[in-house]
Amino acid sequence: DVKVTQSSRYLVKRTGEKVFLECVQDMDHENMFWYRQDPGLGLRLIYFSYDVKMKEKGDIPEGYSVSREKKERFSLILESASTNQTSMYLCASSLVYYGYTFGSGTRLTVV
Amino acid sequence: GDSVTQMEGPVTLSEEAFLTINCTYTATGYPSLFWYVQYPGEGLQLLLKATKADDKGSNKGFEATYRKETTSFHLEKGSVQVSDSAVYFCALSEAGGTSYGKLTFGQGTILTVHP
Repeated sequence: DVKVTQSSRYLVKRTGEKVFLECVQDMDHENMFWYRQDPGLGLRLIYFSYDVKMKEKGDIPEGYSVSREKKERFSLILESASTNQTSMYLCASSLVYYGYTFGSGTRLTVV
Repeated sequence: GDSVTQMEGPVTLSEEAFLTINCTYTATGYPSLFWYVQYPGEGLQLLLKATKADDKGSNKGFEATYRKETTSFHLEKGSVQVSDSAVYFCALSEAGGTSYGKLTFGQGTILTVHP
C-alpha cells in the first residue's frame, strides 16, 4: 500500500514563527497536495505539485509557500505563522484519476 | 468551476439502520467520483470510487452509483455499525489532462451510530 507520512501529528508554534510541515510518500506518485481542514469548511486546497520543482496555487495559497526538491517529498511552509492558520493540515499524493492517499494529518496550533 | 454538495449533517442513527448520505455534483466534463471516510483523529481514507456513468463502487458494505442523469453519487449502507461513526466526504476528480487528478471535496457529513 502507498504510504504518505506527515512528520508531526501535533505542533504548537508562536505567532510570527516560520513553520515547516513535511510530507513524504513512498510510491513514486507524480502529484502531491496540501489541504487544510476546518470545521464547517471541509477541505480547502492550499497548493499542489505535479512534478519536482513544479507547483500550482490552490484555492487559499495566501500566507503559504511550498517546496518540492525531490519527487517523494512535498513541504508546506508558513512564512510567518498567524493564529488564523491554526488548523488540521492534510497531505495527499496521487496518480491521476486514481484518487488520493492521505497522510494522518498535522494539527497545528499557533499561539 | 466544479463543485460537490453533500447533505447537511450531522446524521445520527441506531445500529443496523439504513444509511443514505446524498451527494450531488457540478462538473463540466466527465469526472471520477469518490467517497472518503475520516475516523476520529485520522486522515482521510478512500472508501469507494466510480470512474464512469452507471458504475457502482462498493466497499465494506457501502455502495454508491454514478448517476450522470441526476449528477449524483449517493452513499448507502444497509445496516450501519457503531464502528461506522466517522466523517464522510464526497469528492470528484476533474476531467482533462491538465487537472493533475485534483480533487474537489464536499463539506463532509458527520455520522454517529448509537448501539
